[in-house]
Amino acid sequence: DIVMTQSPLPLPVTPGEPASISCRSSQSLLQSNGYNYLDWYLQKPGQSPQLLIYLASNRASGVPDRFSGSGSGTDFTLKISRVGAEDVGVYYCMQPLQIPHTFGQGTKLEIK
Amino acid sequence: QVQLQESGPGLVKPSQTLSLICTVSGGSISSGSYYWNWIRQPAGKGLEWIGRFYTSGSIDYNPSLKSRVTIAIDTSKNQFSLELRSVTATDTAVYYCVRLTSSGWTYYYGMDVWGQGTTVTVSS
Repeated sequence: DIVMTQSPLPLPVTPGEPASISCRSSQSLLQSNGYNYLDWYLQKPGQSPQLLIYLASNRASGVPDRFSGSGSGTDFTLKISRVGAEDVGVYYCMQPLQIPHTFGQGTKLEIK
Repeated sequence: QVQLQESGPGLVKPSQTLSLICTVSGGSISSGSYYWNWIRQPAGKGLEWIGRFYTSGSIDYNPSLKSRVTIAIDTSKNQFSLELRSVTATDTAVYYCVRLTSSGWTYYYGMDVWGQGTTVTVSS
């Protein structure tokens, strides 16, 4: 299985400040078609996860542009340019490249 | 827009079979290029992918659960199902049905539709 490792796990952030989450995979997620098969999901308190970013850097429909994804191969980053109260929750990276699909442990973003 | 709704017993006895149904509304389960997935989440823990059914008919399972899991589709009811046999307390979790939009390596749009989840407790 591809192991996904996120850091940090708890992420306290001051409102209005930027935040960054790292995700590393145990195998390259770069496919021969040139795309990195890495998604980011946010699970807000009491809700189902929701798609933020797919293929490492593509924002899903309706996702604010303060969210951005980058990276290639085995190292990926999710950045939030200015954190707001509505961004609180657990962020997961996931690889859909291989079976079984696997998720990172989750990074819990909280407001200071 | 497409919506997913899980249903099934909230309590299952150890060694018995957990059976859940996901009803798809707002679109056909048999058209388009979609993978219909089951994912679970024990309370306070992370997400575990269980398996998926592709509209072409192919099915994939998590090897860690493969011997106990069956995913099936009922196009007449626009539903897909999960069966997990010989359950134990470690199978207690919130179970989500999820749509993943992809057509092989041609295009990919992620797990873009999630159900609200249903809690299943394994206990005698």
